[in-house]
Amino acid sequence: QQQVRQSPQSLTVWEGETAILNCSYEDSTFDYFPWYRLFPGESPALLIAIRPVSNKKEDGRFTIFFNKREKKLSLHITDSQPGDSATYFCAASANNYAQGLTFGLGTRVSVFP
Amino acid sequence: NAGVIQTPRHKVTGKGQEATLWCEPISGHSAVFWYRQTIVQGLEFLTYFRNQAPIDDSGMPKERFSAQMPNQSHSTLKIQSTQPQDSAVYLCASSQTNSGNTLYFGEGSRLIVV
Repeated sequence: QQQVRQSPQSLTVWEGETAILNCSYEDSTFDYFPWYRLFPGESPALLIAIRPVSNKKEDGRFTIFFNKREKKLSLHITDSQPGDSATYFCAASANNYAQGLTFGLGTRVSVFP
Repeated sequence: NAGVIQTPRHKVTGKGQEATLWCEPISGHSAVFWYRQTIVQGLEFLTYFRNQAPIDDSGMPKERFSAQMPNQSHSTLKIQSTQPQDSAVYLCASSQTNSGNTLYFGEGSRLIVV
């Protein structure tokens, strides 16, 4: 059973729109939630991360909204640009040390001009 | 500052043969991870070393897969008697122990078993 689930599998938005990527998890001991972005032909790279002490984390056009009670989080990409087209992975881990992050299956985002 | 280096970038091997993949972590990083990426399973954790010691191999298939880190500058993932279902991109990542949980990934080794 997938410990970290993402939806939708793929998402298409027009330039300037807000893309919303959803993530949910099972393990209530997870306490660190990074999002990694993967461009075709490249390797995954950390985009933004949140810990449960906060329910919101913002970095430029990227914002994570976190709901600990429902074990859900979402990544919002505002003013989407064609250069944002990539696969976005939600991940989680249960301790404050880089030990075996569990990744979701990813959401492929396509932004059309 | 070089990132995580993985070799080979691509490998085609016949069913039943052995495949060895190499990873050179970022200098100074003490944690090294191996992941397998497929369309169906996404990014699957395989195994993890800290200061060269194996810490967690819970994601490794119990047969045919093994990983080692003989020194701080490289790790290997070996797959014996490869099968078509082993075809995937194998990603190595490293992390500083004192910088939280940021993983720095290599570009991966694409293994195709025919």
